[in-house]
Formats: sequence, C-alpha cells, structure tokens
Amino acid sequence: GNSVTQMEGPVTLSEEAFLTINCTYTATGYPSLFWYVQYPGEGLQLLLKATKADDKGSNKGFEATYRKETTSFHLEKGSVQVSDSAVYFCALSDLETSGSRLTFGEGTQLTVNP
Amino acid sequence: DAGVTQSPTHLIKTRGQQVTLRCSPKSGHDTVSWYQQALGQGPQFIFQYYEEEERQRGNFPDRFSGHQFPNYSSELNVNALLLGDSALYLCASSLLGDPYSNQPQHFGDGTRLSIL
Repeated sequence: GNSVTQMEGPVTLSEEAFLTINCTYTATGYPSLFWYVQYPGEGLQLLLKATKADDKGSNKGFEATYRKETTSFHLEKGSVQVSDSAVYFCALSDLETSGSRLTFGEGTQLTVNP
Repeated sequence: DAGVTQSPTHLIKTRGQQVTLRCSPKSGHDTVSWYQQALGQGPQFIFQYYEEEERQRGNFPDRFSGHQFPNYSSELNVNALLLGDSALYLCASSLLGDPYSNQPQHFGDGTRLSIL
C-alpha cells in the first residue's frame, strides 16, 4: 500500500535559518505529492504540491521537488520566520490505486525562535 | 467566500454513546472527505462522499458511517464510542468535478471529540 515517512521531529531553528524537512514515500502508482501546514488550533492548509516527477512546488518561500528516483519530496525554505512555526505534513494521493484520498506522514513540528 | 466549516468545534461524550459531526464544503465543491487525526499523528482517511454516495473508504469499522446531502454538506456518525475514538475529526472538500481528478483538498478547522 501507499505510505509516507517524514523525518523525526520536532525541529527547532533560529529565525533566518535554513529549513529542510525530509519526506519519502512508497506508492504503487504515480502519486501526486503535497505539503500541508497546520497552525495551532486550525485545520490543514495546502502549502504546495507537485503532480509528476521533477516538478517543483513552491509557495511563500517554501519549495519541494518531486524526485521519483529517490521517492522523495523534501521541503525547504531558505530563511524561516517565527510565523512559520507550525506542524508540517507530507502527503500523497495515488489516483490509480486509491483515488483522491490523501495518505499523510506523521507530521513534523517546527518551532522558530526569534 | 466561506471555506469549509465544521460543527461543533468541541464535543465531549462518554463511552458507548453516539455522535454526529457536520461539515459544509467550500462553495462550489461537491466532494467531501473525512479524516481522523489522533493527537500527535497525521490524519487518517475515513471515507469520501460524492453525489450523495460513499465512493471510497479507509480502514475504519462500520461504527463509522456518513451521509451527504443534496446541498453537498455531510455528516459523520460514530456509534458505540470508544476511548480510542478521541481525536480531531477533519472534513475536507474538493473542487467541482470528477472526484478521481487530482484537485487539492481544502480542510476545515475540525471537531475535537473527547471520549470520557
């Protein structure tokens, strides 16, 4: 079946530091990949997505590249801000095998200190 | 333009009771999915509704059931509540069209269900 594995957290950084959150996946088809962000007390917001190999998703300074050869979709940001503190979820949907349902990783808690 | 709205925000029940959670999708969306998010975990897919029918189901027991109304809103029902059902229940809706197209899902803020 499909699965998503995220780097173990939590992650604590100082403001303006470089961020990487690792994500690898297992899928039988050709999945689309997503990063969602969850702020305290809120639901999930779509941060970025990529639908095919070598696509790069980007939004609000965050980027992730769909790497089929390494089955990875690592999230990066060059300079984090305090307001980026949240939980980040990597997810996939595999239309061929499981329709549009999302399979999520465990989440990575990011704390950015001033 | 209202996004996905869920009610109630919080709910406390005891073991063995039944609960109904409600979701109104984002305007223009016709597909609703439900997820369970246990504390410190990623969301787990429960089921998805389209055209008032359950189209996909995750690995959840029959105690979990749902409904979609003609206006696309949806309910999640859980019977015979267990302590392990304590979680944040998230509703997500997606854009008008084939639910098997890869439209991004928009999430509500969830209902926090606590079982005593």
